[in-house]
Amino acid sequence: GAVVSQHPSWVICKSGTSVKIECRSLDFQATTMFWYRQFPKQSLMLMATSNEGSKATYEQGVEKDKFLINHASLTLSTLTVTSAHPEDSSFYICSASKGTTEAFFGQGTRLTVV
Amino acid sequence: AQTVTQSQPEMSVQEAETVTLSCTYDTSESDYYLFWYKQPPSRQMILVIRQEAYKQQNATENRFSVNFQKAAKSFSLKISDSQLGDAAMYFCAYRSRDDKIIFGKGTRLHILP
Repeated sequence: GAVVSQHPSWVICKSGTSVKIECRSLDFQATTMFWYRQFPKQSLMLMATSNEGSKATYEQGVEKDKFLINHASLTLSTLTVTSAHPEDSSFYICSASKGTTEAFFGQGTRLTVV
Repeated sequence: AQTVTQSQPEMSVQEAETVTLSCTYDTSESDYYLFWYKQPPSRQMILVIRQEAYKQQNATENRFSVNFQKAAKSFSLKISDSQLGDAAMYFCAYRSRDDKIIFGKGTRLHILP
């Protein structure tokens, strides 16, 4: 199966700083990548969809300036949480798709802002 | 907008028995994909099974099978011969033509030894 690697697995940062999360498709070229946020015991909330070389499409209510998404290549997408605050603490998950069918998921990143 | 509904927050099944998880969805599209994903305690999302809407035949993957009723917009997952390793959160998901993948709220499945 296709492998998606997300890094880091967990990160703690100080309030007001920025943190970058990487998502890589290791053995396939991802035409589309997705970023989700998951609160404890809840479902995955889609934050944005990105295609290589173009701007990400953000879901309603997601702040574009706070959650910067860059899909620089067909194997790499990054999510940068800018000026992080404690309410941004969450579990962030990326997924990548090589077509229009299923998407494969990274391991997730637990972000804690102190 | 498309929606995915899982009406069973939690379910339990005896080991080796069969359990069915329910999922309904709402869409005006005719061509789409449906999925069941499993999220164990590690929180790694694992694809269990997928179904193309244009295919009438229900998908099967070993002990996992679906009952896809397109007209009723229903997509249930049947797990046969349940095993302890099947304990997880199960999410039903819909992929639309505009590429979004939308998830239901999930069903937590407990396997009783």
